[in-house]
Amino acid sequence: NAGVMQNPRHLVRRRGQEARLRCSPMKGHSHVYWYRQLPEEGLKFMVYLQKENIIDESGMPKERFSAEFPKEGPSILRIQQVVRGDSAAYFCASSPVGPTSGAYNEQFFGPGTRLTVL
Amino acid sequence: DAKTTQPPSMDCAEGRAANLPCNHSTISGNEYVYWYRQIHSQGPQYIIHGLKNNETNEMASLIITEDRKSSTLILPHATLRDTAVYYCIVRGGVSGGSNYKLTFGKGTLLTVNP
Repeated sequence: NAGVMQNPRHLVRRRGQEARLRCSPMKGHSHVYWYRQLPEEGLKFMVYLQKENIIDESGMPKERFSAEFPKEGPSILRIQQVVRGDSAAYFCASSPVGPTSGAYNEQFFGPGTRLTVL
Repeated sequence: DAKTTQPPSMDCAEGRAANLPCNHSTISGNEYVYWYRQIHSQGPQYIIHGLKNNETNEMASLIITEDRKSSTLILPHATLRDTAVYYCIVRGGVSGGSNYKLTFGKGTLLTVNP
């Protein structure tokens, strides 16, 4: 059973360009979470999605950032008009069940995408 | 979620037990203690979690004090591959709420020396 997959692993963009980060959850997982890790910092929650729905985007910057998890295909984190401050590692996690299931919903993390904005 | 406090770094000799402390004095009754680790340039890896009883799995043991205000993660026989940042996280109960939001602090950098 393959783990959470993220691509690309490294992404370099110039200021003003768009960045698209992809996350394929583990097989059978329909809950996806995105986290950002700035240099020398811990991971910070950004958004929680279930298939075709955004459940909680309270950790997402209000502008330029968006996320989706379509019925088919990977989850996408999109950053428009990137700035140097967006340089960070972006991690995706998935879980088989959600927080209201009554069961423990351990999150399995992918290897991350390291975004560098020049 | 309750705040946690961990030492920024620790050293351990290979083959010895590594004991990583965590303070969570404001933990509430339905909050669990979770431990994750992050090996350099990788995503976080779940280690163990507990509510009030001590827990053990194939990776580690978790000792939670009776008042639940602190806990210790024990790696019984540390290896070089255990060198990583270890995060102690307090997280809400498994049912409902926003318990899916894992809040990572700066953790403890454990360096296992040969």
